[in-house]
Amino acid sequence: GENVEQHPSTLSVQEGDSAVIKCTYSDSASNYFPWYKQELGKRPQLIIDIRSNVGEKKDQRIAVTLNKTAKHFSLHITETQPEDSAVYFCALDGPARQLTFGSGTQLTVLP
Amino acid sequence: NAGVTQTPKFRILKIGQSMTLQCTQDMNHNYMYWYRQDPGMGLKLIYYSVGAGITDKGEVPNGYNVSRSTTEDFPLRLELAAPSQTSVYFCASSYVAGLNYGYTFGSGTRLTVV
Repeated sequence: GENVEQHPSTLSVQEGDSAVIKCTYSDSASNYFPWYKQELGKRPQLIIDIRSNVGEKKDQRIAVTLNKTAKHFSLHITETQPEDSAVYFCALDGPARQLTFGSGTQLTVLP
Repeated sequence: NAGVTQTPKFRILKIGQSMTLQCTQDMNHNYMYWYRQDPGMGLKLIYYSVGAGITDKGEVPNGYNVSRSTTEDFPLRLELAAPSQTSVYFCASSYVAGLNYGYTFGSGTRLTVV
């Protein structure tokens, strides 16, 4: 099956700084690359996604970049705030739209 | 519009017991999925369905069974529960409209096997 590697597993940044999380994958057939934020005890929440025909997408302080040739995609959060603290998961889709998730990054924004 | 509804929210099982986790969606989505999430880990796919009457194994199907008799319901059955099945279980559904589709997760079922 598909394999997704996510790095780093933990990330601490000062409030106002930027955070970058990267995922690499092996299956070139994937076309959809979402990022989820999960707070403790809650369900995953979609924060941004990108499709294979787009190289970059931005939504306010959050951006995602995709390099299909190199098979990696990254989440960029600028001007981080304490409420950005959570676990972030990358994912990609399979032929039945099933998602394969990365192992997660615990982001801590220090005030 | 309730989205994806999972019941129960919490459950404690003894080793060897069986139970069914219920999942219902009211969005007329064709695709439905069951994931499990162990502490500190990402979600892993157990089973999925692309429509009523069709189910397929995901990455970690052992110890589980599913059925999809209607578009709305996708129950997950645990037979002979084991401590390794202690996890949080998420049901999800998605629609497909051309190149666009959206994923909706249920709120999860926290299962402990003792």
